[in-house]
Amino acid sequence: QVQLQESGPGLVKSSETLSLTCTVSGASVNGDSWSWIRQPPGGGLEWIGYIYSRGSTNYSPSLKTRVTMRIDTSKNEFSLELRSVRATDTAVYYCVKGRGTTLGTGWFDPWGLGTLVIVSS
Amino acid sequence: QSVLTQPPSVSGAPGQRVTISCTGSRSNIGAHYGVHWYQQVPGTPPRLLIYDNTNRPSGVPDRFSASKSDTSASLAITGLQADDEADYYCQSYDNSLSATVFGPGTKVTVL
Repeated sequence: QVQLQESGPGLVKSSETLSLTCTVSGASVNGDSWSWIRQPPGGGLEWIGYIYSRGSTNYSPSLKTRVTMRIDTSKNEFSLELRSVRATDTAVYYCVKGRGTTLGTGWFDPWGLGTLVIVSS
Repeated sequence: QSVLTQPPSVSGAPGQRVTISCTGSRSNIGAHYGVHWYQQVPGTPPRLLIYDNTNRPSGVPDRFSASKSDTSASLAITGLQADDEADYYCQSYDNSLSATVFGPGTKVTVL
């Protein structure tokens, strides 16, 4: 059974860089797509982007200038970097496994438990 | 502002049937991209409920069903139970944005 676990600092200062890692167990990151999704307190879900195991990426248009995703097949993990963070980036960040036959258009399952990142001034 | 719209809330008595709509456009649902549904109990991650318009993953009760037509989709919950109280989100792909999109979510309340 595939499990995902997010890790990283829970507090980031405004204008600095948010860095999170997702460790995957029960499956190889090879040959699949992996996404980050966030949810502000009391808010809805926002897709941040995906990375495919061969390195291709696609980011949300609203975040693409600040986002970088990487994948490390040797560690079976992938990561998220969000630069120049601001208060509106405060959210629970989830790492998820992408599903479906067409890259980028499928569904997400399973989800990590999520990690709350607070951006402080 | 999401390109998919959902009602903010729906409610029903135990045992009743409720439906949640997800309205999109020709660049997402109407472009034949799959619609997927998630259930989120507060404090927990979303759980996949329906994938590719109508398919239930194993473990999801058949009280949950979904359909899709033209530029909209809907999720139905029959035999409403207390533990169905949660937020429900639809998700699809939008080719004008080249991005995955979520609806704003619908809170289901069991009266």
